[in-house]
Amino acid sequence: NAGVTQTPKFQVLKTGQSMTLQCAQDMNHEYMSWYRQDPGMGLRLIHYSVGAGITDQGEVPNGYNVSRSTTEDFPLRLLSAAPSQTSVYFCASSYSIGGNEQFFGPGTRLTVL
Amino acid sequence: GDSVTQMEGPVTLSEEAFLTINCTYTATGYPSLFWYVQYPGEGLQLLLKATKADDKGSNKGFEATYRKETTSFHLEKGSVQVSDSAVYFCASGTYKYIFGTGTRLKVLA
Repeated sequence: NAGVTQTPKFQVLKTGQSMTLQCAQDMNHEYMSWYRQDPGMGLRLIHYSVGAGITDQGEVPNGYNVSRSTTEDFPLRLLSAAPSQTSVYFCASSYSIGGNEQFFGPGTRLTVL
Repeated sequence: GDSVTQMEGPVTLSEEAFLTINCTYTATGYPSLFWYVQYPGEGLQLLLKATKADDKGSNKGFEATYRKETTSFHLEKGSVQVSDSAVYFCASGTYKYIFGTGTRLKVLA
């Protein structure tokens, strides 16, 4: 099992550019989520999905879109990058919501100039 | 809404010292509680968990007990090692997961 994979590992964007952060898992997990990690802020939930075709907003969804067309993939789209979106982004998955362990990807470090 | 509060860091200890990192939660339901650890440049990985009141989670010498009466899930280890240096996150999970802000631990040889 590869677990949770994320690409790219590093990315630099200019303000206004768009891009997609990729996330995939091979554990047949229903629940997937995206977090951003900023110094002193811990992990903040951006969007999450409880299954293919079902997504919902987390704590900080503005400026980000997601879709879940398959169980395996959960891409995060930045529509028009802003310097405030400079952060480390983590994708995570778990068998179901609530009491189950989340498995995290290695992260994507994004810098917006 | 639901929240998780953990002690501010950084925490600096000498090797073999006793470790406590405090964590309290607020929740409308009965969450599962977790401690995750993050080593430099890596994602988070589960350290231990507890799913109901009075459960004790343990792993690698770390322990935490789910205390419903004090809404707490404090992380403890009797004798820390240099290799325990990392950032520790407390989290709760009901219909979604909530993370604390993280506590950086540095253990000196």
